[in-house]
Amino acid sequence: EAGVAQSPRYKIIEKRQSVAFWCNPISGHATLYWYQQILGQGPKLLIQFQNNGVVDDSQLPKDRFSAERLKGVDSTLKIQPAKLEDSAVYLCASTPGSGGGNEQFFGPGTRLTVL
Amino acid sequence: GENVEQHPSTLSVQEGDSAVIKCTYSDSASNYFPWYKQELGKGPQLIIDIRSNVGEKKDQRIAVTLNKTAKHFSLHITETQPEDSAVYFCAAFNNAGNMLTFGGGTRLMVKP
Repeated sequence: EAGVAQSPRYKIIEKRQSVAFWCNPISGHATLYWYQQILGQGPKLLIQFQNNGVVDDSQLPKDRFSAERLKGVDSTLKIQPAKLEDSAVYLCASTPGSGGGNEQFFGPGTRLTVL
Repeated sequence: GENVEQHPSTLSVQEGDSAVIKCTYSDSASNYFPWYKQELGKGPQLIIDIRSNVGEKKDQRIAVTLNKTAKHFSLHITETQPEDSAVYFCAAFNNAGNMLTFGGGTRLMVKP
């Protein structure tokens, strides 16, 4: 079974530029998550989708971050404009069903550096 | 919201020794406690989990204990091997928040 795929793996941009990350979850997984992991910290949830609907985006900085999962499969996370403090690894995870207390399968992440 | 504290932040042991990582959580409604291992350049991977109706769970060299009254849970790794070297994260989940909250991580180094 293929795991969660993410691209690109690395991205370097200057502040105020825009960037987008892509995630393809495990086939059949209804719930998809985006996490931000700052160096030396644990992952922090940004947004959770179930199929193509948003379940929780309370911790997403909506003035600059946006995410979509239009067909309930792939998802994109965008930052516009980027700030220095956005430098982090952005992790995508998926889980079957409605999520809840079940194993989340993580992708390898996209390491973003904002200069 | 939920707050998860994890200690120690770094842990160095000799190969063959045991390692213990401890976490506390704040929300008594949390009912699912997974442990993830993250190797360099990779995403976290689940190694063991425990639910609130169980006090202890073991899988070969790893075990997790949960004390609901004290709101703390621990990861125990016995007979450590160099390949156990990684960053370990505890996490807590509750249905009300529908969110997994991670601890700050423990960098485990196993010296051959």
